[in-house]
Amino acid sequence: EDQVTQSPEALRLQEGESSSLNCSYTVSGLRGLFWYRQDPGKGPEFLFTLYSAGEEKEKERLKATLTKKESFLHITAPKPEDSATYLCAVHGSGGSNYKLTFGKGTLLTVNP
Amino acid sequence: GAVVSQHPSRVICKSGTSVKIECRSLDFQATTMFWYRQFPKQSLMLMATSNEGSKATYEQGVEKDKFLINHASLTLSTLTVTSAHPEDSSFYICSARSGSGGTYNEQFFGPGTRLTVL
Repeated sequence: EDQVTQSPEALRLQEGESSSLNCSYTVSGLRGLFWYRQDPGKGPEFLFTLYSAGEEKEKERLKATLTKKESFLHITAPKPEDSATYLCAVHGSGGSNYKLTFGKGTLLTVNP
Repeated sequence: GAVVSQHPSRVICKSGTSVKIECRSLDFQATTMFWYRQFPKQSLMLMATSNEGSKATYEQGVEKDKFLINHASLTLSTLTVTSAHPEDSSFYICSARSGSGGTYNEQFFGPGTRLTVL
C-alpha cells in the first residue's frame, strides 16, 4: 500500500524567510509524485509533477525536488500570499486507474 | 488550461433528501474523473474513480448505492448523494485527468462542494 507522510504539519515563516517542506513516500513503482496547493474552502491547485529521482521543477518562488524516498518543496523568500496548505501525492504502479495517495499536508503561514 | 468546475459550490439539504453535484472539465476531455471527500483539517479521501461510459470503481468502505456516480460524457460527471444524513456533511471535490498530451498523469481539481445535511 502506498504511503505518504508530510512534515512539518504546520510551518510559520516570516516574509522572506526561505524554508522547505518534506514529503516522504513509500510506493511500489513510482509513476509520479505530485504537489498541490490548497486554499481554505477550495479545491487543490496543481503545482508540479515529478517522475524520477534527481528531477527538479520550479515555478516562481517554489522549487520541487525528488529522491527515491522523499520530495522537498523549497520556498524561497515567501510572501504572505504563499500561505496555504501544500499537499503531496503519489501514484504508484500498484494503484489502479491513476489513483493518487495523498499526505495530510503542511499548513504554511507566512507573516508579513 | 485544465479548468474543472463544480456545481453547486454549497448546498444545504434536509435529512433524507438526495443531492446531485456536477463536475465538468471546461477545456479538455476527461478520460477519468475522481470523487473525493475531505473532512476539516484532513486530507483528501478518494471515494470513487470513473471512466466515461463505464461503471465507477468505488474505494473500500464507500457505499455505491448511496453515492451514485455517472460519467456520461468526456466532460461531465455527477455524484448523487442519496438519502443524505448529517454524517454525509462534508466537502466533496472532483478531479479530472485528461490522459493525453503533456498532462497525461496529472489530476486537475474542481473548487469543491460544501454539503450540509440538517
